[in-house]
Amino acid sequence: RKEVEQDPGPFNVPEGATVAFNCTYSNSASQSFFWYRQDCRKEPKLLMSVYSSGNEDGRFTAQLNRASQYISLLIRDSKLSDSATYLCVVNGGGFKTIFGAGTRLFVKA
Amino acid sequence: GAVVSQHPSRVICKSGTSVKIECRSLDFQATTMFWYRQFPKKSLMLMATSNEGSKATYEQGVEKDKFLINHASLTLSTLTVTSAHPEDSSFYICSARATGQGPTGELFFGEGSRLTVL
Repeated sequence: RKEVEQDPGPFNVPEGATVAFNCTYSNSASQSFFWYRQDCRKEPKLLMSVYSSGNEDGRFTAQLNRASQYISLLIRDSKLSDSATYLCVVNGGGFKTIFGAGTRLFVKA
Repeated sequence: GAVVSQHPSRVICKSGTSVKIECRSLDFQATTMFWYRQFPKKSLMLMATSNEGSKATYEQGVEKDKFLINHASLTLSTLTVTSAHPEDSSFYICSARATGQGPTGELFFGEGSRLTVL
């Protein structure tokens, strides 16, 4: 089993749609969680951290479920500019950071 | 915000030569930096953790003699791909977390270096 697993997609959605991604992790001792966004041929950039209480930033909502060991990202009112690959990132013990393979999103007009 | 600069962004070299990639934290100190490799449409694969003033920690399956890492200062880490071969062609990315930041700290990424070995 991979340490961090994501549905690779692609997700093809129309503008204005709501789309959700899930990510599961295997190490129950994982300490911190993030969603990064990566555009084609670019470096990843932090989209948002994921807290136990859940957090929201504009159209983006992240949730953490420690019992089931998954995190989620919800994007509301999708924009064309949201098209990218979304990486689930999990910090295990120490400073080891594990990246999921990424979920590709295409938002179409 | 914090910036990590990576250079060169693109390099083409002949098989058998060595290539050095630099990763600099521009406005913060980074005791630890990370080097990743990414194949097309694949996730980032952690190659090694670069530690200032000490030896790098390599992930399983990564050849330390092939991928030399030097972290000579708190703002600079270098990755040297020695005796490069076409299968080393890839996108290499570095990242850094500010010194004192725990595992919850944000990782800042360099722009990446695309290596093509002919």
